[in-house]
Amino acid sequence: DSGVTQTPKHLITATGQRVTLRCSPRSGDLSVYWYQQSLDQGLQFLIQYYNGEERAKGNILERFSAQQFPDLHSELNLSSLELGDSALYFCASSPGGGNSGANVLTFGAGSRLTVL
Amino acid sequence: GESVGLHLPTLSVQEGDNSIINCAYSNSASDYFIWYKQESGKGPQFIIDIRSNMDKSQGQRVTVLLNKTVKHLSLQIAATQPGDSAVYFCAENSHIKLIFGQGTELSVKP
Repeated sequence: DSGVTQTPKHLITATGQRVTLRCSPRSGDLSVYWYQQSLDQGLQFLIQYYNGEERAKGNILERFSAQQFPDLHSELNLSSLELGDSALYFCASSPGGGNSGANVLTFGAGSRLTVL
Repeated sequence: GESVGLHLPTLSVQEGDNSIINCAYSNSASDYFIWYKQESGKGPQFIIDIRSNMDKSQGQRVTVLLNKTVKHLSLQIAATQPGDSAVYFCAENSHIKLIFGQGTELSVKP
C-alpha cells in the first residue's frame, strides 16, 4: 500500500457521460498529480495541485477538470466522455511543490475507466 | 519540445543475468531523473533517482548512470530475478512536471 488512495478502482460508463475520480494523498503530502495512462500514450501528465492551488498543467483536455480540497484530497472530473478517454488514471502525491529538483512522486493503484 | 524516450520497448533476459534499460531525454535543463517500476495492475513504484550533478547513483541491485553529454540515462539491474519482470519508466523533472518516457517491458526467463 503506497498510502495514496484512489476510488473507484474500476468504472464503466457510456459515451457522453460524466465521471468523478477521487484521490487521497499520502499523509503529509501537499501536492497531488493526475496522470493518464493509455496503451499508446504511456503516462501523460494532466495537472498538479499544491496545497489547494493549481501548480502545473499538462495535456489536460477542456472536458476534464480537477480540484484539490482543503483536506488535500483531489477530484478529477471527466465530462462528455469519448471512447478514447478509456484509460488508467493515476493520482500521485509528493511532499513539496516540485520546484526544488528532487521530486519523488508516490502513485496510487489507479482508476480504470472504460467508456463504451 | 520536452520528451523522454526509451530505446527499446521490450527486453528479455535470463534469470541471474544483468539487465540494462536505456533512456534518452531532450531537455538539457532537467535537474532530476527517476526510474519507476510498474507491475501489472499496479501504479508506478519508485526505484532509484539521480540528480543532474551526479554521474551515478546506486541502490540495492540497481544502478543508474547519467551521461549529460549525450542526454542518456541507463538503469542496470544486477542478478535479475523473476520479480523484476515489469515495465520500467524513466522520468525527467522538467519545469515542475515529471515527464515520463514510454516504458520498457522487462521479461525475466527462468
